[in-house]
Amino acid sequence: GDSVTQMEGPVTLSEEAFLTINCTYTATGYPSLFWYVQYPGEGLQLLLKATKADDKGSNKGFEATYRKETTSFHLEKGSVQVSDSAVYFCALSTQGAQKLVFGQGTRLTINP
Amino acid sequence: GAGVSQSPSNKVTEKGKDVELRCDPISGHTALYWYRQSLGQGLEFLIYFQGNSAPDKSGLPSDRFSAERTGGSVSTLTIQRTQQEDSAVYLCASSSNRAAYEQYFGPGTRLTVT
Repeated sequence: GDSVTQMEGPVTLSEEAFLTINCTYTATGYPSLFWYVQYPGEGLQLLLKATKADDKGSNKGFEATYRKETTSFHLEKGSVQVSDSAVYFCALSTQGAQKLVFGQGTRLTINP
Repeated sequence: GAGVSQSPSNKVTEKGKDVELRCDPISGHTALYWYRQSLGQGLEFLIYFQGNSAPDKSGLPSDRFSAERTGGSVSTLTIQRTQQEDSAVYLCASSSNRAAYEQYFGPGTRLTVT
């Protein structure tokens, strides 16, 4: 079945550091790919998405590129802030399936 | 506009009791989803509604779990004879036909079974 694997956390970085959170997927067909973020005490929010190969999703300084050849959708940010501390979930949705399949989540803590 | 709302925000119940969790989707969103977030299992899909029908119930863990949606709007997730392993945060999400894959999540209901 469809699945998403993301790097285990927790990840702790200093402010202004470069961030990468790895995400790879297994799916039939051509899925849409997403990153969701859950800030402390808040609900899940869509951070960015990509619906076809080589698309780049971006939002709030975060980027991720849909790589079909490596079945990956790694999340990157050039300079993280304390306010980026949250749990990040990689997810996919395949055409016709509607539901989201999530990775296990990566807890990110940014220290000042 | 208003987002997805869920009630109650917290529910503590005794093992063996029935519980009902409510979700109000974003107005005009035709699709509604229930997920469960627990420490051991991560985020799991439970059920998907399109309008009032549920074409995908594949994630419901047992026949103690059921859900309905009325008027193409509010949905209720019912858990009968609750067990301790049902303790989790139950999340509801909705999406529109125009952007079916962009799901908007509610704040969740934290269920604790004692």
